[in-house]
Amino acid sequence: GEDVEQSLFLSVREGDSSVINCTYTDSSSTYLYWYKQEPGAGLQLLTYIFSNMDMKQDQRLTVLLNKKDKHLSLRIADTQTGDSAIYFCAETLPGGYNKLIFGAGTRLAVHP
Amino acid sequence: EAQVTQNPRYLITVTGKKLTVTCSQNMNHEYMSWYRQDPGLGLRQIYYSMNVEVTDKGDVPEGYKVSRKEKRNFPLILESPSPNQTSLYFCASSYSYGYTFGSGTRLTVV
Repeated sequence: GEDVEQSLFLSVREGDSSVINCTYTDSSSTYLYWYKQEPGAGLQLLTYIFSNMDMKQDQRLTVLLNKKDKHLSLRIADTQTGDSAIYFCAETLPGGYNKLIFGAGTRLAVHP
Repeated sequence: EAQVTQNPRYLITVTGKKLTVTCSQNMNHEYMSWYRQDPGLGLRQIYYSMNVEVTDKGDVPEGYKVSRKEKRNFPLILESPSPNQTSLYFCASSYSYGYTFGSGTRLTVV
Protein backbone atom coordinates (compact mmCIF):
# COMPACT_ATOMS: atom_id res chain seq x y z
CA GLY A 1 0.00 0.00 0.00
CA GLU A 2 0.89 3.64 -0.10
CA ASP A 3 2.61 4.96 2.98
CA VAL A 4 5.14 7.70 3.64
CA GLU A 5 6.69 8.02 7.08
CA GLN A 6 8.73 10.75 8.72
CA SER A 7 9.89 11.48 12.23
CA LEU A 8 7.81 14.29 13.73
CA PHE A 9 10.45 16.55 15.28
CA LEU A 10 14.04 17.61 14.74
CA SER A 11 15.98 20.21 16.70
CA VAL A 12 19.32 21.59 15.49
CA ARG A 13 21.70 24.37 16.39
CA GLU A 14 22.03 27.30 14.04
CA GLY A 15 24.92 26.75 11.62
CA ASP A 16 24.81 22.94 11.88
CA SER A 17 23.49 20.66 9.16
CA SER A 18 19.97 19.24 9.39
CA VAL A 19 19.02 15.87 7.98
CA ILE A 20 15.34 15.05 7.63
CA ASN A 21 14.53 11.45 6.77
CA CYS A 22 11.59 9.83 5.02
CA THR A 23 10.70 6.25 4.15
CA TYR A 24 8.10 5.12 1.66
CA THR A 25 6.61 1.75 0.91
CA ASP A 26 5.72 1.79 -2.77
CA SER A 27 8.73 1.01 -4.93
CA SER A 28 6.98 2.29 -8.04
CA SER A 29 7.23 5.94 -6.95
CA THR A 30 7.93 8.18 -9.91
CA TYR A 31 8.81 11.48 -8.26
CA LEU A 32 9.65 12.29 -4.66
CA TYR A 33 9.28 15.78 -3.25
CA TRP A 34 10.21 17.93 -0.31
CA TYR A 35 7.81 20.71 0.64
CA LYS A 36 8.31 23.39 3.29
CA GLN A 37 5.50 24.93 5.31
CA GLU A 38 6.23 27.97 7.42
CA PRO A 39 3.83 28.92 10.24
CA GLY A 40 0.52 30.14 8.85
CA ALA A 41 1.66 29.69 5.26
CA GLY A 42 0.97 27.35 2.40
CA LEU A 43 3.21 24.70 0.90
CA GLN A 44 6.38 25.72 -0.85
CA LEU A 45 8.08 23.21 -3.14
CA LEU A 46 11.71 22.99 -2.07
CA THR A 47 12.98 20.35 -4.42
CA TYR A 48 12.06 17.11 -6.10
CA ILE A 49 13.93 14.10 -7.44
CA PHE A 50 13.02 11.67 -10.15
CA SER A 51 13.08 8.05 -9.04
CA ASN A 52 15.97 7.10 -11.33
CA MET A 53 18.29 9.58 -9.63
CA ASP A 54 20.39 9.00 -6.51
CA MET A 55 21.19 12.53 -5.53
CA LYS A 56 20.24 16.11 -6.28
CA GLN A 57 21.93 19.22 -4.96
CA ASP A 58 20.56 22.74 -5.01
CA GLN A 59 22.55 25.34 -3.07
CA ARG A 60 22.20 24.41 0.63
CA LEU A 61 19.87 21.50 -0.09
CA THR A 62 20.97 17.94 -0.86
CA VAL A 63 18.47 15.20 -1.56
CA LEU A 64 19.57 11.57 -1.34
CA LEU A 65 17.45 8.71 -2.62
CA ASN A 66 18.12 5.08 -1.74
CA LYS A 67 15.66 3.10 -3.83
CA LYS A 68 16.73 -0.24 -2.41
CA ASP A 69 15.85 0.85 1.13
CA LYS A 70 13.02 3.16 -0.03
CA HIS A 71 14.62 5.98 1.90
CA LEU A 72 14.71 9.67 1.03
CA SER A 73 16.60 12.33 2.94
CA LEU A 74 16.90 16.11 2.83
CA ARG A 75 20.07 17.70 4.10
CA ILE A 76 20.11 21.41 4.82
CA ALA A 77 23.62 22.80 5.18
CA ASP A 78 24.35 25.74 7.50
CA THR A 79 20.85 25.69 8.96
CA GLN A 80 19.43 29.13 9.78
CA THR A 81 16.53 30.25 11.98
CA GLY A 82 14.59 30.97 8.77
CA ASP A 83 14.68 27.25 8.05
CA SER A 84 12.41 26.57 11.03
CA ALA A 85 9.28 25.06 9.49
CA ILE A 86 7.47 21.81 8.85
CA TYR A 87 9.00 19.72 6.07
CA PHE A 88 6.84 17.28 4.16
CA CYS A 89 8.07 14.37 2.12
CA ALA A 90 5.72 13.33 -0.70
CA GLU A 91 5.64 10.89 -3.57
CA THR A 92 3.69 10.33 -6.74
CA LEU A 93 2.95 6.96 -8.24
CA PRO A 94 2.56 5.91 -11.88
CA GLY A 95 -0.93 5.61 -13.25
CA GLY A 96 -1.66 9.13 -14.41
CA TYR A 97 -3.65 10.23 -11.40
CA ASN A 98 -1.10 12.83 -10.28
CA LYS A 99 -1.88 12.04 -6.65
CA LEU A 100 0.58 13.32 -4.09
CA ILE A 101 1.00 11.07 -1.06
CA PHE A 102 2.36 12.98 1.92
CA GLY A 103 4.16 12.05 5.08
CA ALA A 104 2.99 13.54 8.39
CA GLY A 105 5.68 16.23 8.27
CA THR A 106 8.81 16.88 10.33
CA ARG A 107 8.88 20.02 12.43
CA LEU A 108 12.39 21.49 12.31
CA ALA A 109 13.33 23.81 15.16
CA VAL A 110 16.54 25.80 14.82
CA HIS A 111 17.97 27.24 18.02
CA PRO A 112 20.88 29.61 18.58
CA GLU B 1 1.77 35.32 -12.10
CA ALA B 2 0.98 31.60 -12.09
CA GLN B 3 -1.07 30.85 -9.01
CA VAL B 4 -3.82 28.95 -7.29
CA THR B 5 -6.24 31.22 -5.43
CA GLN B 6 -8.38 29.96 -2.58
CA ASN B 7 -11.07 31.85 -0.75
CA PRO B 8 -11.69 32.48 2.02
CA ARG B 9 -8.42 32.19 3.97
CA TYR B 10 -10.23 31.81 7.27
CA LEU B 11 -13.77 30.68 8.00
CA ILE B 12 -15.66 29.97 11.20
CA THR B 13 -19.07 28.40 10.73
CA VAL B 14 -21.70 26.47 12.65
CA THR B 15 -22.57 22.82 12.33
CA GLY B 16 -24.92 22.13 9.44
CA LYS B 17 -24.58 25.40 7.59
CA LYS B 18 -23.61 24.73 3.99
CA LEU B 19 -20.43 26.38 2.77
CA THR B 20 -18.25 26.53 -0.31
CA VAL B 21 -14.52 27.09 -0.51
CA THR B 22 -13.50 28.38 -3.93
CA CYS B 23 -10.35 27.48 -5.83
CA SER B 24 -9.19 28.99 -9.09
CA GLN B 25 -6.01 28.47 -11.15
CA ASN B 26 -4.66 30.50 -14.05
CA MET B 27 -2.25 27.96 -15.50
CA ASN B 28 -4.67 26.01 -17.69
CA HIS B 29 -3.90 22.84 -15.71
CA GLU B 30 -6.16 19.89 -16.30
CA TYR B 31 -5.57 18.25 -12.93
CA MET B 32 -6.83 19.81 -9.69
CA SER B 33 -7.27 18.39 -6.23
CA TRP B 34 -8.25 19.18 -2.65
CA TYR B 35 -6.32 18.17 0.45
CA ARG B 36 -6.93 18.57 4.14
CA GLN B 37 -4.11 18.93 6.62
CA ASP B 38 -4.41 17.71 10.18
CA PRO B 39 -1.67 17.61 12.85
CA GLY B 40 0.29 14.37 12.79
CA LEU B 41 -1.49 13.15 9.65
CA GLY B 42 0.09 15.28 6.94
CA LEU B 43 -2.08 16.10 3.93
CA ARG B 44 -4.75 13.74 2.75
CA GLN B 45 -6.50 13.94 -0.58
CA ILE B 46 -10.25 14.63 -0.48
CA TYR B 47 -11.22 14.79 -4.16
CA TYR B 48 -9.47 15.26 -7.45
CA SER B 49 -10.41 16.18 -10.99
CA MET B 50 -8.64 15.07 -14.15
CA ASN B 51 -10.49 17.57 -16.36
CA VAL B 52 -13.78 19.41 -16.79
CA GLU B 53 -16.72 17.30 -15.60
CA VAL B 54 -14.33 14.52 -14.47
CA THR B 55 -14.03 14.18 -10.69
CA ASP B 56 -13.29 11.31 -8.35
CA LYS B 57 -12.90 10.53 -4.67
CA GLY B 58 -9.59 10.72 -2.90
CA ASP B 59 -8.77 9.11 0.43
CA VAL B 60 -11.14 11.08 2.69
CA PRO B 61 -14.17 12.17 0.61
CA GLU B 62 -16.94 11.68 3.20
CA GLY B 63 -18.86 14.88 3.89
CA TYR B 64 -17.50 16.74 0.86
CA LYS B 65 -18.60 17.44 -2.69
CA VAL B 66 -16.81 19.05 -5.61
CA SER B 67 -17.65 20.23 -9.09
CA ARG B 68 -15.60 21.05 -12.18
CA LYS B 69 -17.74 22.98 -14.62
CA GLU B 70 -14.83 25.06 -15.92
CA LYS B 71 -11.18 24.18 -16.24
CA ARG B 72 -9.98 26.98 -13.94
CA ASN B 73 -12.37 26.45 -11.01
CA PHE B 74 -12.70 23.57 -8.57
CA PRO B 75 -14.88 24.49 -5.57
CA LEU B 76 -15.11 22.35 -2.44
CA ILE B 77 -18.61 22.09 -0.99
CA LEU B 78 -19.52 21.07 2.55
CA GLU B 79 -23.27 20.47 2.48
CA SER B 80 -23.60 19.97 6.25
CA PRO B 81 -20.32 20.73 8.00
CA SER B 82 -19.48 18.96 11.24
CA PRO B 83 -16.80 19.72 13.85
CA ASN B 84 -14.60 16.85 12.56
CA GLN B 85 -14.19 18.84 9.34
CA THR B 86 -12.32 21.54 11.22
CA SER B 87 -9.02 21.55 9.38
CA LEU B 88 -6.66 23.38 7.06
CA TYR B 89 -7.62 22.88 3.43
CA PHE B 90 -5.40 23.19 0.37
CA CYS B 91 -6.28 23.27 -3.28
CA ALA B 92 -3.65 22.25 -5.82
CA SER B 93 -3.33 22.11 -9.57
CA SER B 94 -0.73 20.30 -11.60
CA TYR B 95 0.61 19.49 -15.00
CA SER B 96 2.77 16.37 -15.14
CA TYR B 97 4.98 16.42 -12.05
CA GLY B 98 4.69 20.11 -11.20
CA TYR B 99 2.25 21.04 -8.43
CA THR B 100 1.10 24.47 -7.34
CA PHE B 101 -0.73 24.88 -4.03
CA GLY B 102 -3.06 27.58 -2.87
CA SER B 103 -2.39 29.46 0.37
CA GLY B 104 -4.86 27.38 2.35
CA THR B 105 -8.24 27.85 4.02
CA ARG B 106 -8.45 27.39 7.76
CA LEU B 107 -11.95 26.17 8.54
CA THR B 108 -13.41 25.92 12.04
CA VAL B 109 -16.80 24.27 12.52
CA VAL B 110 -18.39 24.91 15.93
